[in-house]
Amino acid sequence: AQTVTQSQPEMSVQEAETVTLSCTYDTSESDYYLFWYKQPPSRQMILVIRQEAYKQQNATENRFSVNFQKAAKSFSLKISDSQLGDAAMYFCAYRSAPSSWAGANSKLTFGKGITLSVRP
Amino acid sequence: AAGVIQSPRHLIKEKRETATLKCYPIPRHDTVYWYQQGPGQDPQFLISFYEKMQSDKGSIPDRFSAQQFSDYHSELNMSSLELGDSALYFCASSLRTGGRAEAFFGQGTRLTVV
Repeated sequence: AQTVTQSQPEMSVQEAETVTLSCTYDTSESDYYLFWYKQPPSRQMILVIRQEAYKQQNATENRFSVNFQKAAKSFSLKISDSQLGDAAMYFCAYRSAPSSWAGANSKLTFGKGITLSVRP
Repeated sequence: AAGVIQSPRHLIKEKRETATLKCYPIPRHDTVYWYQQGPGQDPQFLISFYEKMQSDKGSIPDRFSAQQFSDYHSELNMSSLELGDSALYFCASSLRTGGRAEAFFGQGTRLTVV
């Protein structure tokens, strides 16, 4: 079974600064997807960014980028130019590739999450 | 764009009562997931359906059951409610083939058992 570990329960960043949230995972699969989800106080789960394991290029979405190290099974999220609206809980999540979904294994497995606060 | 719709948004029930949560996935999505999230915790997978058939089962209590109907909406039925069932219940949907592997979440149903 796959596991996702977020070892930092809380982090804080100054507005306009850059912050990196860490995530490691364990899997025996070679093809999979990794995601970062944001959960603001409204508790809506919002997809921030996705990474396909077979792609070496790190994904970017505006101010959000990832550092994907497949061999190290590491998947960190970098938030540049932090804004007050970035304050939220962030979850790292793992999902097997669709080729493994027959009957099962299509669910998302989440880490424990990290609470990010942004100081004005 | 259409999103995942969950109803009701809030629900208050007494112990030992029954609750039914509904989920309407994004049109043409073939897979539905249910998750339970306690306060300050990560979402825990309960159950999933692919093309109206149960495809995977997680830590779902025997008191809970779920099904997906012909119109693809899903319902989570919870009986003999306990105080510990108080949580946010998410439904998510995704497309198994031809999609980008994302799961899209509804806004959740906040269940409070008193």
